[in-house]
Amino acid sequence: GQQVMQIPQYQHVQEGEDFTTYCNSSTTLSNIQWYKQRPGGHPVFLIQLVKSGEVKKQKRLTFQFGEAKKNSSLHITATQTTDVGTYFCAQPRQPNSGGGADGLTFGKGTHLIIQP
Amino acid sequence: GAGVSQSPSNKVTEKGKDVELRCDPISGHTALYWYRQSLGQGLEFLIYFQGNSAPDKSGLPSDRFSAERTGGSVSTLTIQRTQQEDSAVYLCASSLALPSNTEAFFGQGTRLTVV
Repeated sequence: GQQVMQIPQYQHVQEGEDFTTYCNSSTTLSNIQWYKQRPGGHPVFLIQLVKSGEVKKQKRLTFQFGEAKKNSSLHITATQTTDVGTYFCAQPRQPNSGGGADGLTFGKGTHLIIQP
Repeated sequence: GAGVSQSPSNKVTEKGKDVELRCDPISGHTALYWYRQSLGQGLEFLIYFQGNSAPDKSGLPSDRFSAERTGGSVSTLTIQRTQQEDSAVYLCASSLALPSNTEAFFGQGTRLTVV
């Protein structure tokens, strides 16, 4: 089945430091999505990337989709305590589909822990 | 409703009992997913419904697990003869089924504890 490798599993940072999580696929993807799950909460959609080399920004968050559409990253600049949580990437369960045919596979997530 | 609704929010059951978990997706969403999340872990895919197509059950961990989706809307996940290793949060999500956009909207989950 599809493998969604996400690293690191845990990341401790001091408040104000930057944070990056990476997602790697064994196959070329039609798109990739990112979700955030706060402690005790449920995953919430952040963004979808579709185009090769695409870069999208949401305030302090920068999302990138690799040129080969096999990897993606999420970078947070100057972390704040509100950034605490687990960040998941998700890819279509069938890599050549948009996800609508077969749903999504999630990575194991990166747990972001922030020390004030 | 405004979002995906799951019930109950918490369920404590004795080992060996059957449980039913319910998911009410966002109106108009033809795709519905069930995932399982153990404490501090990732999302384990269980089953996927898409419209009137046969569901993809490839993620169900054993034949004690089954799911239905009636009328293309509400779904129930049934676990028979529960075991302690079934303890987890069961998350339901729904989405449109467009190739270009499949943002999944999650419910709050059902926390199942088997004692």
